[in-house]
Amino acid sequence: DTGVSQDPRHKITKRGQNVTFRCDPISEHNRLYWYRQTLGQGPEFLTYFQNEAQLEKSRLLSDRFSAERPKGSFSTLEIQRTEQGDSAMYLCASSPGTSIEQYFGPGTRLTVT
Amino acid sequence: AQKVTQAQTEISVVEKEDVTLDCVYETRDTTYYLFWYKQPPSGELVFLIRRNSFDEQNEISGRYSWNFQKSTSSFNFTITASQVVDSAVYFCALSGPNQGGKLIFGQGTELSVKP
Repeated sequence: DTGVSQDPRHKITKRGQNVTFRCDPISEHNRLYWYRQTLGQGPEFLTYFQNEAQLEKSRLLSDRFSAERPKGSFSTLEIQRTEQGDSAMYLCASSPGTSIEQYFGPGTRLTVT
Repeated sequence: AQKVTQAQTEISVVEKEDVTLDCVYETRDTTYYLFWYKQPPSGELVFLIRRNSFDEQNEISGRYSWNFQKSTSSFNFTITASQVVDSAVYFCALSGPNQGGKLIFGQGTELSVKP
């Protein structure tokens, strides 16, 4: 399978705990994006990387959120001190840079209890 | 500011009917890109089409067709002879030229095709 992969697919955590999600983009795609999708809404942009550089962060990305892409390949998204409002689907997408179509992974569904 | 509006929250049709999903966008950019994505019940967003703002030619791909009209800022999507497998949430999205490719999505239209 050469598509975008995300791990885990589902995560249930208690409020106040830290969680980390991983995204593996399509090989050789130099751009990687994170989005958040809540029930009944379209995805909302969180942040993106070109290679290892984080080039933009949305205002949605509070101080409790941090994303990395240390070697320009996979990326992690960490949420510290989770809140119930963080419950959502977290989507990762990648694009090759030579075109702007983004290819999405299956998402990580986070439930904060 | 950029914005995408999909006024139809839910549409229900019977198999073999044609259905059009509406998308209206707002942008101040003169160059921009429009997209349609499909999100089936499995949850994974599937890329369907990209249209550049300077190319107003309509496109047809099998049972799918897209009508881009800059004059009305619309990019509508028509499925001809719908099938049950077309049931999904469909998202229209917009991207500007200097935004790193980030997508601004509409709220989506949930299409239900009944046998």
